[in-house]
Amino acid sequence: ETGVTQSPTHLIKTRGQQVTLRCSSQSGHNTVSWYQQALGQGPQFIFQYYREEENGRGNFPPRFSGLQFPNYSSELNVNALELDDSALYLCASSRWTATGEQYFGPGTRLTVT
Amino acid sequence: KQEVTQIPAALSVPEGENLVLNCSFTDSAIYNLQWFRQDPGKGLTSLLLIQSSQREQTSGRLNASLDKSSGRSTLYIAASQPGDSATYLCAGNSGGSNYKLTFGKGTLLTVNP
Repeated sequence: ETGVTQSPTHLIKTRGQQVTLRCSSQSGHNTVSWYQQALGQGPQFIFQYYREEENGRGNFPPRFSGLQFPNYSSELNVNALELDDSALYLCASSRWTATGEQYFGPGTRLTVT
Repeated sequence: KQEVTQIPAALSVPEGENLVLNCSFTDSAIYNLQWFRQDPGKGLTSLLLIQSSQREQTSGRLNASLDKSSGRSTLYIAASQPGDSATYLCAGNSGGSNYKLTFGKGTLLTVNP
């Protein structure tokens, strides 16, 4: 197992609500990336944070936002939830090094009804 | 834009068989390529990372190769076991070592006792 933790494990929300997902990165890692994985699909990149700044964003609308804290943990916030936001949300941490190997947490399963 | 394709989508083999999973990518300027394992409803476990300067990596019964010129990577699993049953995902980045990963949809492997 990696040292990346995510909370909560599962979450059920109603369309239109807002949700916050949390991620604690592995010790020594300063970069956090978030991915969305719909059922039967590969993970899709949402955004990445490095030194508390957004460092790249995938094709996701502005209602997906994030934060990185001084201890390198991170939050993913999603506003105005839609049914299609139902997915497994994965957090990955890495060190800003030549290899950039990413280590994933167990994920948060979000269901929007 | 990097696109990653995995073939086959599903594979069922008897225990003990050697097998190969295929991954192809469109952008040959790939920086590194990672192979992951995902058990149902779980996060991703990193199996092997191949940097662009390398041709292959080995870990136990697993061997992964990377051919940038042809846009292909393969994951070889020797002497398969029922515990190897999982979805195997490949992912590459082409924007630098710490850039986003682009994933394929995965190969669902079933190893029958």
